[in-house]
Amino acid sequence: GDSVTQKQGQVTLSEDDFLFINCTYSTTTYPTLFWYVQYPGQGPQLLLKVTTANNKGISRGFEATYDKGTTSFHLQKASVQESDSAVYFCALVPGGNYKPTFGKGTSLVVHP
Amino acid sequence: EAAVTQSPRNKVAVTGGKVTLSCNQTNNHNNMYWYRQDTGHGLRLIHYSYGAGSTEKGDIPDGYKASRPSQENFSLILELATPSQTSVYFCASGDAGRGANTGQLYFGEGSKLTVL
Repeated sequence: GDSVTQKQGQVTLSEDDFLFINCTYSTTTYPTLFWYVQYPGQGPQLLLKVTTANNKGISRGFEATYDKGTTSFHLQKASVQESDSAVYFCALVPGGNYKPTFGKGTSLVVHP
Repeated sequence: EAAVTQSPRNKVAVTGGKVTLSCNQTNNHNNMYWYRQDTGHGLRLIHYSYGAGSTEKGDIPDGYKASRPSQENFSLILELATPSQTSVYFCASGDAGRGANTGQLYFGEGSKLTVL
């Protein structure tokens, strides 16, 4: 079946540091890949979407890319702010069905 | 604006009791989902639905039932609640069409369930 692996459980940075979070995936389909962000006390919300056609998405200073060769997708930001502190989930939606699979999440803590 | 609302937002139940978590969406999405979120496990899919009258088992369906009586409503039912079902539960809706937002989920604010 489809799977997503998100190994970084917690990342601690200082403001203006570079952020990089990585997920690997496995599927037999042509998937759509997503990054969601969850702020305390809220449900997850969409941050970025990357299709295997366009390879890249950009939003709010975050950039998501995908590498078909290594079946991995990444989230990065050049300069994080304290307000970026949140939990970040990667997710895969297989082509042909709509049963999303989520990674375990990365808790980002940014110190001022 | 997409809207998914869950009720109750907080619930304390006793072991062996029945719990119903309700979800309503005004997005006119075909697909709806129930997830639970636990530290170290991320979001795990319990049940989902492709439309009114349909329910499908997710990855961890044991101990849960689901009901989709209409396009807008999707309920999660714990017939005999156990302490291991203490968690935060999220409902989500998603578009099954071919538009730009296909595959994207819209989540509710969550329901915190404590089973004593």
